[in-house]
Amino acid sequence: DTGVSQDPRHKITKRGQNVTFRCDPISEHNRLYWYRQTLGQGPEFLTYFQNEAQLEKSRLLSDRFSAERPKGSFSTLEIQRTEQGDSAMYLCASSPPTELGDGYTFGSGTRLTVV
Amino acid sequence: DQQVKQNSPSLSVQEGRISILNCDYTNSMFDYFLWYKKYPAEGPTFLISISSIKDKNEDGRFTVFLNKSAKHLSLHIVPSQPGDSAVYFCAANGGFKTIFGAGTRLFVKA
Repeated sequence: DTGVSQDPRHKITKRGQNVTFRCDPISEHNRLYWYRQTLGQGPEFLTYFQNEAQLEKSRLLSDRFSAERPKGSFSTLEIQRTEQGDSAMYLCASSPPTELGDGYTFGSGTRLTVV
Repeated sequence: DQQVKQNSPSLSVQEGRISILNCDYTNSMFDYFLWYKKYPAEGPTFLISISSIKDKNEDGRFTVFLNKSAKHLSLHIVPSQPGDSAVYFCAANGGFKTIFGAGTRLFVKA
């Protein structure tokens, strides 16, 4: 297993376009998280899946954002009608069904630039 | 609403000396506190954690101290090595959500 994979690594898009990112977690991890990180800030929680169920969603996740995890494996994060304020690093992480003190495994992220 | 705060944006330390990174939090209900390390162009990597019912956890060169009355935790790295140069994030678990501080950039000079 090569860890958490995110695709693409970089995405440049024009304002108003839709983008979709993919995350492949570690196979035995049933928990999957999406975070967003902007310059000079720590990762901000966006949403959490346990298997295929989306159990928690941040108020940061406006109506333009949607995340799915069909069949409890890979996940996608879609942003519709992108805005310049959406420019950020989008991080995916996964964790096994153990103590929360064991931490997450993060992917390398997808850097989105909206021009 | 910054529930986890890292007030020092950067810290510079000589190789072999101790690095102390600090973090304050506001929510008494957090279950675990964690430290992550981040190198450029990579995602954060989990380093060490501490349960809210403990006051110290040690793993090799890394020790985390928790002072619940002050709502403060710190990460000690002894001895510091040039490879420790990275951004360190303090984080806290509340439910299934982890809340991160803004990070402290550590420079370890050879």
